[in-house]
Amino acid sequence: DAKTTQPTSMDCAEGRAANLPCNHSTISGNEYVYWYRQIHSQGPQYIIHGLKNNETNEMASLIITEDRKSSTLILPHATLRDTAVYYCIGSGNTGKLIFGQGTTLQVKP
Amino acid sequence: KAGVTQTPRYLIKTRGQQVTLSCSPISGHRSVSWYQQTPGQGLQFLFEYFSETQRNKGNFPGRFSGRQFSNSRSEMNVSTLELGDSALYLCASSLTGTKNIQYFGAGTRLSVL
Repeated sequence: DAKTTQPTSMDCAEGRAANLPCNHSTISGNEYVYWYRQIHSQGPQYIIHGLKNNETNEMASLIITEDRKSSTLILPHATLRDTAVYYCIGSGNTGKLIFGQGTTLQVKP
Repeated sequence: KAGVTQTPRYLIKTRGQQVTLSCSPISGHRSVSWYQQTPGQGLQFLFEYFSETQRNKGNFPGRFSGRQFSNSRSEMNVSTLELGDSALYLCASSLTGTKNIQYFGAGTRLSVL
């Protein structure tokens, strides 16, 4: 499983886009990039995942660089309820997720 | 569709005791994974079960064990509890566990006194 590096914390103004970066330079060709978030001691919540192409769903967009060494999670219009710890995970065909320390996103009014 | 259900939500035990936590996965999901979350170590993978077999195991002592039943429900057991076992224990289920999205329960918060 790939080692990922994320900034410890970030701030974002409510209503603005939140762009959360992740470095996963050791990711292998068959490993997906997953994003989860955890809101204050609740269970982690799946956000989005991708392999090579950019992905978008109702929650967020995922931009993966062409060399797959980094990605960015975009929350297009952050709200106060998006305040959480965001985890970027590189995971292969193993059925387990290796969580790093994540990025604490604080959305401010 | 009901989500992942973990019972109990809170538990208080004393050192030396043992504890059993339960996880009911989403209907149709066959893979169940367990994680431990502590302030110091963050979220750590314990083990994964698929079709009643342990398929993956994290780096935890043998005091931590689990099992999965034919209906995919899973239990984890911690024997000879230590103070450091105080944590939030999370269960996640997925269809097959490989390249599938994992859905997490709310967790069981265990306090060891």
